[in-house]
Amino acid sequence: GENVEQHPSTLSVQEGDSAVIKCTSDSASNYFPWYKQELGKGPQLIIDIRSNVGEKKDQRIAVTLNKTAKHFSLHITETQPEDSAVYFCAASGTGTYKYIFGTGTRLKVLA
Amino acid sequence: DGGITQSPKYLFRKEGQNVTLSCEQNLNHDAMYWYRQDPGQGLRLIYYSQIVNDFQKGDIAEGYSVSREKKESFPLTVTSAQKNPTAFYLCASSIQTGHHNQPQHFGDGTRLSIL
Repeated sequence: GENVEQHPSTLSVQEGDSAVIKCTSDSASNYFPWYKQELGKGPQLIIDIRSNVGEKKDQRIAVTLNKTAKHFSLHITETQPEDSAVYFCAASGTGTYKYIFGTGTRLKVLA
Repeated sequence: DGGITQSPKYLFRKEGQNVTLSCEQNLNHDAMYWYRQDPGQGLRLIYYSQIVNDFQKGDIAEGYSVSREKKESFPLTVTSAQKNPTAFYLCASSIQTGHHNQPQHFGDGTRLSIL
């Protein structure tokens, strides 16, 4: 069946360091959103990328896509304590409303 | 402010009881979704609706039912047939373009527990 693998499941970094979360999709997808979920809240979209783009950046957050290998990654630079949350990747194909979500990465930024 | 409102935030269900979770959006989105979130797992799709009076089963629809009588509202009923209902339930919505996938925007969830 369709699956998105996400690694690592937990990640601790020192404040100011970078964090990288990696996902792999095993299905034909062309849209890859990333969500941040804080405790007791719903996921919030932080960045997304489509298959015709290799990289997208928004301030301290960037996403890269290697569509051939179906790998996509989230990069957070200059991490801050408020970046601590669970991050989910997702993948979706053309003409479908269905997202396949990764299992999440719990990021802890240590002050 | 535009957004998605889920209520209640916490809900308790007794054995053999049906409970209904509310989801309302004022974003003028056509499509709405219900997901279930369990610890250590990604979100799993229960039902989705692309337009009023129409909805489709997701991956884990058994034991759940929905209705879409109004564009703004997409309530989820957890029936007594759902034997393991304890979870965090998330509602989402998106615009519908028919071609390009659009971001889904989420509410803040309802946590359902068994008494």
